[in-house]
Amino acid sequence: AQTVTQSQPEMSVQEAETVTLSCTYDTSESNYYLFWYKQPPSRQMILVIRQEAYKQQNATENRFSVNFQKAAKSFSLKISDSQLGDTAMYFCAFMTLTGANSKLTFGKGITLSVRP
Amino acid sequence: GAGVSQSPRYKVAKRGQDVALRCDPISGHVSLFWYQQALGQGPEFLTYFQNEAQLDKSGLPSDRFFAERPEGSVSTLKIQRTQQEDSAVYLCASSSLHTRPEKLFFGSGTQLSVL
Repeated sequence: AQTVTQSQPEMSVQEAETVTLSCTYDTSESNYYLFWYKQPPSRQMILVIRQEAYKQQNATENRFSVNFQKAAKSFSLKISDSQLGDTAMYFCAFMTLTGANSKLTFGKGITLSVRP
Repeated sequence: GAGVSQSPRYKVAKRGQDVALRCDPISGHVSLFWYQQALGQGPEFLTYFQNEAQLDKSGLPSDRFFAERPEGSVSTLKIQRTQQEDSAVYLCASSSLHTRPEKLFFGSGTQLSVL
């Protein structure tokens, strides 16, 4: 079974600054994917960024980038130039492609507040 | 439709009542997932459909929970004899299976409160 751990319940950052959200996971799988999702008050889960485990290069999407350390099973999200609209809950998630479906295993999430 | 639609957005039920939650996935999406998100927690997998076939129901917490997708499009999650611990947001997600890994599109969920 896979587990995803987000040990920081909440963080706060000043607008325009950089913040890093931590995530660790545990799995015996060799082929998997890692995700960061954003959940604003509307409750809709929005995909922020995705990382394939077989790729050594860290994924980037505009202001969002990850630090993927496979040996340490660590997957942190860096948000640069934080904006007020980044205020939301952020969930780290794991997906394996074995089995009949690609179900996600989520961490408990972290509440990020961006201060003006 | 343009996105995954869930109804109702809020549902209040008295303990012991039966409830039905509806999910209308993106047109043409083969895969459909249900997740349960308790307050302050991450979503947890409940069940998975590929078209009308329920291929994985390993996450359903008890036999009071039942899901169906009879025509391979709209899905209904039914909870019988609701209990307070059933209070949560129920999220639905769909995907097309054309890309691996699947890109899931989530709805805004139904917030169920059992009194």
